[in-house]
Amino acid sequence: SQQGEEDPQALSIQEGENATMNCSYKTSINNLQWYRQNSGRGLVHLILIRSNEREKHSGRLRVTLDTSKKSSSLLITASRAADTASYFCATAYAGGTSYGKLTFGQGTILTVHP
Amino acid sequence: EPEVTQTPSHQVTQMGQEVILHCVPISNHLYFYWYRQILGQKVEFLVSFYNNEISEKSEIFDDQFSVERPDGSNFTLKIRSTKLEDSAMYFCANQGGLGGETFGSGTRLTVV
Repeated sequence: SQQGEEDPQALSIQEGENATMNCSYKTSINNLQWYRQNSGRGLVHLILIRSNEREKHSGRLRVTLDTSKKSSSLLITASRAADTASYFCATAYAGGTSYGKLTFGQGTILTVHP
Repeated sequence: EPEVTQTPSHQVTQMGQEVILHCVPISNHLYFYWYRQILGQKVEFLVSFYNNEISEKSEIFDDQFSVERPDGSNFTLKIRSTKLEDSAMYFCANQGGLGGETFGSGTRLTVV
């Protein structure tokens, strides 16, 4: 089965610095999505990149996708203390029978120090 | 912005009891999902629901689980006889079309 696996597992940076998180997966995908989760709370959709896209931007977020390497990265620029959260990548499997079913990675815990 | 609403936010139940978790998804969306997240672990797919029937389910979603849309708007997850290992956050989600899925804020289930 496919998996989205992030690294690093934890990342600690100072406010204003950039944060880069990586995700790898194993099978063909329709799209890859990044979600944010504050401690004990729900999942917030950040950005979706389709398998035929290589890069996407949304505000301070930049996502890249390399389907040949089956990997993606999420870059948060000029980080803020409020960005402190867990970040998950999730893949929608290309061959699945269920439209939109997501497979999540373990997540990266980002801590931004003021 | 449309939201997915889940109730209750926290449910404590005795082992062996039945629980029903409630979700009000975004109207006019056709696909509905339940996921769970055991504390400290990844989010896991449980089941997808389309056109009033299950379209796919995971190995986790065994005979003790069931889903329903009892009145065309609410979307429920029932666990018939809870076990300690069912303790987790349970998330309901809607297929958001081009923009990814919209998740509810979750129900924290604690089985004691």
